Amino acid sequence: KAGVTQTPRYLIKTRGQQVTLSCSPISGHRSVSWYQQTPGQGLQFLFEYFSETQRNKGNFPGRFSGRQFSNSRSEMNVSTLELGDSALYLCASSFQGSRTDTQYFGPGTRLTVL
Amino acid sequence: AQTVTQSQPEMSVQEAETVTLSCTYDTSESDYYLFWYKQPPSRQMILVIRQEAYKQQNATENRFSVNFQKAAKSFSLKISDSQLGDAAMYFCAYRSGETSGSRLTFGEGTQLTVNP
Repeated sequence: KAGVTQTPRYLIKTRGQQVTLSCSPISGHRSVSWYQQTPGQGLQFLFEYFSETQRNKGNFPGRFSGRQFSNSRSEMNVSTLELGDSALYLCASSFQGSRTDTQYFGPGTRLTVL
Repeated sequence: AQTVTQSQPEMSVQEAETVTLSCTYDTSESDYYLFWYKQPPSRQMILVIRQEAYKQQNATENRFSVNFQKAAKSFSLKISDSQLGDAAMYFCAYRSGETSGSRLTFGEGTQLTVNP
């Protein structure tokens, strides 16, 4: 079974632009979570989607948004990019996001904002 | 809100030796799950081991075991017979069992070096 895939793997943008990252979960998984990893703030939860609905949201500004499609694939969008948005963005999937599920992470998308 | 603290930014161990990574957490919940994830240079997060708070028995996965002290809110990871491939950043993580969803709260991480 294929693992979680994220595209693109690397991205360079300039301040003020917007960006869309994609995550394809493991086949059969319906829950997708997004995390931001930076050297200063560590790993921080962005949001979680389950069955096309946002189930949880972390403490990030409204510039960060996401969605999930009927095939469980998820995208996250960051508008009006700032230098501080440079980070590794990790996606994780699990079967239903229940308390007993294990989350499996993708390889991440490295975003650099210039 | 829950917090997770890893007080050892870096640790090193000789190949074949044993090393213990520390983690403490703060929560008012009684139902929760704790995890150790490994992040090698490839940046792919890999689950090492998980512990359910309601289980008194410490989880074990091959060379990896935990020491779960619920009253002390401590969750350390012991790696036995360390191998070069164990070199990575290790993250301790918490997940609530009382709210819906998969949200993980991570510690700051411990960079483990394995010396040949």
